[in-house]
Amino acid sequence: NAGVTQTPKFRILKIGQSMTLQCAQDMNHNYMYWYRQDPGMGLKLIYYSVGAGITDKGEVPNGYNVSRSTTEDFPLRLELAAPSQTSVYFCASSPRDTGNTIYFGEGSWLTVV
Amino acid sequence: KQEVTQIPAALSVPEGENLVLNCSFTDSAIYNLQWFRQDPGKGLTSLLLIQSSQREQTSGRLNASLDKSSGRSTLYIAASQPGDSATYLCAVKGTSGTYKYIFGTGTRLKVLA
Repeated sequence: NAGVTQTPKFRILKIGQSMTLQCAQDMNHNYMYWYRQDPGMGLKLIYYSVGAGITDKGEVPNGYNVSRSTTEDFPLRLELAAPSQTSVYFCASSPRDTGNTIYFGEGSWLTVV
Repeated sequence: KQEVTQIPAALSVPEGENLVLNCSFTDSAIYNLQWFRQDPGKGLTSLLLIQSSQREQTSGRLNASLDKSSGRSTLYIAASQPGDSATYLCAVKGTSGTYKYIFGTGTRLKVLA
C-alpha cells in the first residue's frame, strides 16, 4: 500500500538553485496539501489543492509554486532557494468528505546552504 | 484566524503513568479535530479523529475528548509505555469554505522505562 509517496527524502541545495519536490498519492483523494515543519514548530500550510487544475495558497506560499495536472500528483517547486527554506516538507492528501482523516507522506528533508 | 496551541511543549513521565496532553483552539467553527503521532524522522500518523458533533473517541489506551464551546481537546494516554515516546500534534479542520488543517506545535513526550 503506497499511500502518499514523496521524493526525494533528502536534498542539499545551494542558494539560488531551484528544485521540485515530487508527491504522488494512489488513494484517488481530491485534496492534497504541502506543509513545512521547522524545528520545534507545528506544520505550516504552503499550498493546497481541492482537485486537478485547482490550487490555492496556504499560510506561507512565498518562494514556492505548485501545479495539479492530475488527481495523483502534486509537485512543489522551489525557485531561487534561500536558507529560510531549509525545512522538512510534508505532502498530504485527504478524501473529499470533510469527515475523513488526512494521510501524510514520510517527508522530504531540504537544506539550503 | 484559527490558532492552535498545545501545552506542555515537552513532558517526561515514568512508565505506567496516566497522562493528559492538551490542545486549545481559538475558533470553535471546526469540522473535526485530529490527534497525530510523529516519530523522529517520520511523517504523521493519525491516532484519533473527533467530528465536531462528537464529544470523545477512544482507541485502545488512547482517549480524546472535544469541547468545542471552550475550544479545547485533551488526549488521555493510559498506562504509558516507552513505545509511546513521540511528538503528539493536534490539528483542526476549519469550516471557512476551505478544507485546511491547522496544526499545533506539538507535545514531545518521553516515557521513561
